[in-house]
Order: sequence, then C-alpha cells, then structure tokens
Amino acid sequence: EAEVAQSPRYKITEKSQAVAFWCDPISGHATLYWYRQILGQGPELLVQFQDESVVDDSQLPKDRFSAERLKGVDSTLKIQPAELGDSAMYLCASSFGGYTEAFFGQGTRLTVV
Amino acid sequence: QQQVKQSPQSLIVQKGGISIINCAYENTAFDYFPWYQQFPGKGPALLIAIRPDVSEKKEGRFTISFNKSAKQFSLHIMDSQPGDSATYFCAAYNFNKFYFGSGTKLNVKP
Repeated sequence: EAEVAQSPRYKITEKSQAVAFWCDPISGHATLYWYRQILGQGPELLVQFQDESVVDDSQLPKDRFSAERLKGVDSTLKIQPAELGDSAMYLCASSFGGYTEAFFGQGTRLTVV
Repeated sequence: QQQVKQSPQSLIVQKGGISIINCAYENTAFDYFPWYQQFPGKGPALLIAIRPDVSEKKEGRFTISFNKSAKQFSLHIMDSQPGDSATYFCAAYNFNKFYFGSGTKLNVKP
C-alpha cells in the first residue's frame, strides 16, 4: 500500500542548531503539505506545495523555517536555528488535490533541548 | 482565530456505548468535512468524510451528522470498542486547504 514516507522519525537537537526533515509523498500526488502538531492540539499548516510551487506559506516562520520541493516530488523542511518552542510533531501529507483524501506520514517528533 | 472548534477535549465511553464528538465552523465557504483518527505516534488517517449537500453519512459503526444551517457536524461511533481509543480530529476544507479542530481524545473502557 502506498504511503507517505518521512524521516527521521525522531530528532533531538540543541537550541540554535539546524535541523531538517524529509518527506516523500505518494507517487502522483501533486499537493504536498507540511503541518506542525503540538502535543494535544490539531495539525496546523506550515506550508503547502502544488507540484514544485509554494501555494501557501502564510503560517511559516520564514525567519527560521524554509521548505522546498525542487522537482515536485519529495520535500525538505528546515529549521535554523531551532528554538525550544519548535518542539512538536512535524507531519507531511499529500493528496491529488481537490476533494480527495490527504494521506499523512507518521511524522517526525522533534525535541529541542 | 480557530476556524474549526471541536468538543469535548476528552471522552470516556464504556465498551458498547456511543461516542459523540462535535465540531462547529464559521466559514460558509467550507465544502468538505473529513474526520481523522490518530493513534499515538502515528499520523492522522482519514476515517470518514461528508460534503454539505447531505445531512448524514454512515460507514459501518461511524456516522457523520451534518447541520448546514447551524454550521455544525458531529461524529458518532456506535458500539464503541477499546480499539477505537485514539484521538479524533474534525477538519474543514476549502480551496485546497484543510483546517483542523483541536482534537478529542477518546478512551473506550473495556
């Protein structure tokens, strides 16, 4: 069964260090989302791609976060420098777009110490 | 501003009982309402979804009730089982973007 792959599953990093997360969406899915989920809360959209183009990054803290999807397939989310408040689950999701199911990966649990 | 408000935050139900989770929204432009189920350490997975042109959708033990005029929708889990213990998120969709509720942690007691 096709699934969204994310790595690493867990990441512990020190404050002020750089950290990167990788996502490989389901083949053929043009829409890719990065969400942040703080423990006990719902996912919040950080950035949305349509193919290789960013269509929404209004909630992305651009002073420290960056995201790319260079060839319109896999994607990388980077944080530099990491802050204590960045500790959360980072979820990647993909879909065909429109009224179709968004499939989520298992996420990367980030702990900033 | 939270686009979708979900309640309760947590819910304890006895095995065989009915679990009910409620969501409300303000933006009438939302036109697709999915429910996601999330187990600890996993990403959310689609459970059931509804479009606003119907008032109810049922899939097995899971039912969505939708009240367009009240801008509310709810998830009913009939004959709740311990394996249903998870966190449930409602969501609303518009212009290729999902807005999630804050989640309900369901615990079904054996």
